[in-house]
Amino acid sequence: DAGITQSPRHKVTETGTPVTLRCHQTENHRYMYWYRQDPGHGLRLIHYSYGVKDTDKGEVSDGYSVSRSKTEDFLLTLESATSSQTSVYFCAISELNYNEQFFGPGTRLTVL
Amino acid sequence: SQQGEEDPQALSIQEGENATMNCSYKTSINNLQWYRQNSGRGLVHLILIRSNEREKHSGRLRVTLDTSKKSSSLLITASRAADTASYFCATDHTDKLIFGTGTRLQVFP
Repeated sequence: DAGITQSPRHKVTETGTPVTLRCHQTENHRYMYWYRQDPGHGLRLIHYSYGVKDTDKGEVSDGYSVSRSKTEDFLLTLESATSSQTSVYFCAISELNYNEQFFGPGTRLTVL
Repeated sequence: SQQGEEDPQALSIQEGENATMNCSYKTSINNLQWYRQNSGRGLVHLILIRSNEREKHSGRLRVTLDTSKKSSSLLITASRAADTASYFCATDHTDKLIFGTGTRLQVFP
């Protein structure tokens, strides 16, 4: 497996609370991505980063923010979690955009 | 809306048989990729085919690309129970990869 980890791996939280998910890589790849995976929707891009402090929105970015202060870390924050954000979240990295992406193991988030 | 759509949504076969999955997309692409996801795990990259390529092989995998029909197929030959997984195509769209909803493949021993 590529050197990519996610934490936590599982989280249960309540509606309205803030949640931060962390993605950490040891590959020094430039690009990092956050996806959510839901039944019937496949993977949908939330936000991505093309360098330190350089981020952009994906197709389902509402309700999420990201930060990348170091090459190796990409944080996804749910400012005020809602039940619709219950999902499995995957982080991915790649050296070049449009090229092979390496995925982390995922974080299963449940918002009650 | 999804750029890539896989077909069929689910496929069940016996070990030793071949499995074919198809992906259709809507706009022009630079490349198309196929990924595998085992249950409860992250996606794993299988193969990338560029828009100027028509066919590519990797072990028991064969991928074809028909840009005139905006479609691709993934063939797994001599399938094994370990090939049981979901398979996704991904196409580059503007500055992002867009994934399809996947084909669930079940290979029975």
